[in-house]
Amino acid sequence: DGGITQSPKYLFRKEGQNVTLSCEQNLNHDAMYWYRQDPGQGLRLIYYSQIVNDFQKGDIAEGYSVSREKKESFPLTVTSAQKNPTAFYLCASSIDVGAKTQYFGPGTRLLVL
Amino acid sequence: GQQVMQIPQYQHVQEGEDFTTYCNSSTTLSNIQWYKQRPGGHPVFLIQLVKSGEVKKQKRLTFQFGEAKKNSSLHITATQTTDVGTYFCAAIIYGQNFVFGPGTRLSVLP
Repeated sequence: DGGITQSPKYLFRKEGQNVTLSCEQNLNHDAMYWYRQDPGQGLRLIYYSQIVNDFQKGDIAEGYSVSREKKESFPLTVTSAQKNPTAFYLCASSIDVGAKTQYFGPGTRLLVL
Repeated sequence: GQQVMQIPQYQHVQEGEDFTTYCNSSTTLSNIQWYKQRPGGHPVFLIQLVKSGEVKKQKRLTFQFGEAKKNSSLHITATQTTDVGTYFCAAIIYGQNFVFGPGTRLSVLP
């Protein structure tokens, strides 16, 4: 069953804590992305990675960090420096960067208590 | 600032009525993609437009790319309750990554 998976589906965090969101894909895609979606809004790019061991900041990278040690995995850490972390986080992948179809995971809803 | 705009923000239609959402950019686009996100779900790719003036159809959905490659539209004929969701355009601006529009949320009343 090929695709892109994210876990957990829901995540609760206390203020001041770091939390890591998982994203795994078995589509053999080189490029992976993290987006943030706020209620009633579009998608904003946090970070993207074109290839293993490489990643670039998106439009709203402050307060977030990523790693790309394996092709299949692109975890996102929401740090305590992120002032307003409550949101819906979507991971996506594509064959490579550019004008390619992005395949999205089911998302993780993060709620800061 | 916002590089890609979509109108309307919300649209409520009666089942069977038509629906159109527009995506506009002040910058010439390389390509444009359309995605649909059902309530509580994740975006799903619908189509990509590349050529100036291109028109593509998928059953009741018609997608169009403007002649100047600065705007696009998605038209749904005879909406059904299964069409409910938010429709996003994703613009590829030359030399940049995807830029998603804010989306148009469609409600269909039975």
